Amino acid sequence: DVKVTQSSRYLVKRTGEKVFLECVQDMDHENMFWYRQDPGLGLRLIYFSYDVKMKEKGDIPEGYSVSREKKERFSLILESASTNQTSMYLCASSLRGGGNEKLFFGSGTQLSVL
Amino acid sequence: QKEVEQNSGPLSVPEGAIASLNCTYSDRVSQSFFWYRQYSGKSPELIMSIYSNGDKEDGRFTAQLNKASQYVSLLIRDSQPSDSATYLCAVKTEAGGYNKLIFGAGTRLAVHP
Repeated sequence: DVKVTQSSRYLVKRTGEKVFLECVQDMDHENMFWYRQDPGLGLRLIYFSYDVKMKEKGDIPEGYSVSREKKERFSLILESASTNQTSMYLCASSLRGGGNEKLFFGSGTQLSVL
Repeated sequence: QKEVEQNSGPLSVPEGAIASLNCTYSDRVSQSFFWYRQYSGKSPELIMSIYSNGDKEDGRFTAQLNKASQYVSLLIRDSQPSDSATYLCAVKTEAGGYNKLIFGAGTRLAVHP
């Protein structure tokens, strides 16, 4: 089974802190994604990567950055956390080709910024 | 901004009934459509995909697609309490040379005994 592991299930940070969310997948997937999920807004794409050291902005990249130094790891960075970044963050991966529609999600990180 | 719209619900149906979940999308050239199921406190999982107009059946689930009207639906026959979850509609769209999925906000389904 594909396993996508996110480093923390719950995280509490203070405004202005730099926050790192880590995601690791073990199925050699080329594609990796970061989404945030908010009530009533669904899943919104923050950043994605189709290859090592490659990154592309999604629909809401402001205030975030990413790093993909190794194929299995995709990190989301909040440069200076703000209260409006309180959300559930979901990492996902998929195989290259086939339109990357079959996403495998991690269990999510509920981030609270105080 | 390309959009995917769903009724947030909750949609409440009795056990054994047919649950009908609907989704509309704005990108007229989209060709691929998906339904993900998300149990409370869990991550989404893919349950159906559909690419051609018409119906696609998989067990108790039927996905329906009408590209001319830009809607896709999911029917769940013989609904069970274990089907209670949020169902997310997703549409593959092209932007900036890349394909990506756009998700709707989801419809919460409650199946009561």
